[in-house]
Amino acid sequence: KAGVTQTPRYLIKTRGQQVTLSCSPISGHRSVSWYQQTPGQGLQFLFEYFSETQRNKGNFPGRFSGRQFSNSRSEMNVSTLELGDSALYLCASSLRGGSEETQYFGPGTRLLVL
Amino acid sequence: AQTVTQSQPEMSVQEAETVTLSCTYDTSESDYYLFWYKQPPSRQMILVIRQEAYKQQNATENRFSVNFQKAAKSFSLKISDSQLGDAAMYFCAARHNTDKLIFGTGTRLQVFP
Repeated sequence: KAGVTQTPRYLIKTRGQQVTLSCSPISGHRSVSWYQQTPGQGLQFLFEYFSETQRNKGNFPGRFSGRQFSNSRSEMNVSTLELGDSALYLCASSLRGGSEETQYFGPGTRLLVL
Repeated sequence: AQTVTQSQPEMSVQEAETVTLSCTYDTSESDYYLFWYKQPPSRQMILVIRQEAYKQQNATENRFSVNFQKAAKSFSLKISDSQLGDAAMYFCAARHNTDKLIFGTGTRLQVFP
């Protein structure tokens, strides 16, 4: 089975722009979670989608949004980028998002905001 | 709300030796799961080991084992016979039901030959 894939792998944007990141989960997985990883804040949960519905949301401003499609692929969007949004964005998938399930992580998208 | 604390930002170990990474958590729930994830440099995060809170027996996966002390809310990871490939960031994480997965701040493990 192919693993979790994320595109693009690297991205450079300027302040004020918007960006869309994509995540394709492992085939058959219906839960997709997004995390922001920075040296200062560590791994912070952004949101989780299950069957096209947002099931959980972290403490991020409304500039961060996401969605999930019927094929379980997910996108996250960040509007009006700020310097502090520079981070590694990780996506993880699991079968149903149950608490006992292993989350399988993608390689991440490294976003640099200038 | 759940919190996960890793008090060791960095640890080091000599090849073939044993090292223990600490993790404490705080939750008011009785049913939850605990995880250790490993993130090698520039590589994907992978699950190392998982522990169900209702199980008293400590989980073991080959050279990796945990010391789960539910009353103390402690969940440490022991790596035996350390190998160079064990060098990575290790994250402790906790989850209750379908709530979000909460990560600790991580411990960077260096392995010296």
